[in-house]
Amino acid sequence: QITLKESGPTLVRPTQTLTLTCSFSGFSLSTSSMGVGWIRQPPGKALEWLALIYWDDDKRYRPSLRNRLIITKDTSKNRVVLTMTNVDPVDTGTYYCVRSPWGAKQQLVLDWGQGTLVIVSS
Amino acid sequence: QSALTQPASVSGSPGQSITLSCTGSNTDIGGYKYVSWYQQHPFSAPKLLIYDVSIRPSGVSSRFSGSKSGSTASLTISGLQAEDEADYYCSSYTTTSTLEVFGTGTKVTVL
Repeated sequence: QITLKESGPTLVRPTQTLTLTCSFSGFSLSTSSMGVGWIRQPPGKALEWLALIYWDDDKRYRPSLRNRLIITKDTSKNRVVLTMTNVDPVDTGTYYCVRSPWGAKQQLVLDWGQGTLVIVSS
Repeated sequence: QSALTQPASVSGSPGQSITLSCTGSNTDIGGYKYVSWYQQHPFSAPKLLIYDVSIRPSGVSSRFSGSKSGSTASLTISGLQAEDEADYYCSSYTTTSTLEVFGTGTKVTVL
């Protein structure tokens, strides 16, 4: 059974750095073609890909947030960490950790975490 | 990286068929056959319904079908049921990013 679970702060002050951790089980990020990423959803709004890291350490970022995001993996601990710098109230939303195996041109999301709500407010 | 365009809402009566549209451009839907659809019930994570325009993953009801014409993809729900009331998002490969782009989302209401 595949599970993903997000953890991190619920409330973050503007300009601070947000660190989210995804702990997963049921698969290994050292397995060829495996990928784990982050998708967020502002309240009442659409889904947005943020970042994705593959088994071979290939990393993908949302172009508009590239200079604020860092995604890393710890294969031995089955964890993926997303760091977002200089947060703003517009970064408020539910952040999902997802499993997305490598595809030549696509990122299908096969499994989702329950999501964690992040509120950016002073 | 502009979101794909979906109608904000679509409604239908039980048993009817409805079609949701997802409009992009030549850099995404129009140029490739990598369109997927997700269903999201309130307070839940999304679920993959369709990928590669028209392929249903195992376990997804055959009442859901996908197609594409030009730069517009479509999701048809036939035999509409109360449980189909949810938000639906399309997604597509795009040449403008190394990550897929989602649609704006459509809320389906079963009357």
